[in-house]
Amino acid sequence: NAGVTQTPKFRVLKTGQSMTLLCAQDMNHEYMYWYRQDPGMGLRLIHYSVGEGTTAKGEVPDGYNVSRLKKQNFLLGLESAAPSQTSVYFCASVVAPPKGGELFFGEGSRLTVL
Amino acid sequence: AQSVTQPDIHITVSEGASLELRCNYSYGATPYLFWYVQSPGQGLQLLLKYFSGDTLVQGIKGFEAEFKRSQSSFNLRKPSVHWSDAAEYFCAVGGYSSASKIIFGSGTRLSIRP
Repeated sequence: NAGVTQTPKFRVLKTGQSMTLLCAQDMNHEYMYWYRQDPGMGLRLIHYSVGEGTTAKGEVPDGYNVSRLKKQNFLLGLESAAPSQTSVYFCASVVAPPKGGELFFGEGSRLTVL
Repeated sequence: AQSVTQPDIHITVSEGASLELRCNYSYGATPYLFWYVQSPGQGLQLLLKYFSGDTLVQGIKGFEAEFKRSQSSFNLRKPSVHWSDAAEYFCAVGGYSSASKIIFGSGTRLSIRP
């Protein structure tokens, strides 16, 4: 009964380093999303996926890449981290929109880029 | 373009007073709408959602919201707030198309005056 699990929970990077955030869901949801949360700016959509093997850009996709090779996993990559990418990252999943349903969120991953 | 506006950044109300948080959305077709709450240092919890049918939606913790298509609004209300309601509140909009994404507003921080 894990729901949505994000790893790692915390990470500190130096400018220019790369890393990958993993989101795993066990609810057989079709849609998965990556958001970043910054003070005063709410949650902004980075990338999303409407099914295995598909990805699409959200509101703030620059500097990030994603992959959805397996239905249950959605990876968010930073190829060359920048201080502007310091944020809390949330993954979420949902049953396909025509079926309705709420977003289920992970607990968040706090990333600091020095 | 799909968007959500929460015009109030910060609201303070007295305990026991009524509350209304504003949400205006932009979406070219029939939307589905959410309100989420985030307590300090916590994840996001769904308060309520609107998909279709009755435009007055009841949620958890005594919250309700009314969908007004003519005003593109989905305002959140509570008749009597409690100190535990102090949190940040986010409105979100999605759509029924298979390519739909879910977009959040910038949030409203609610403080409760004793």
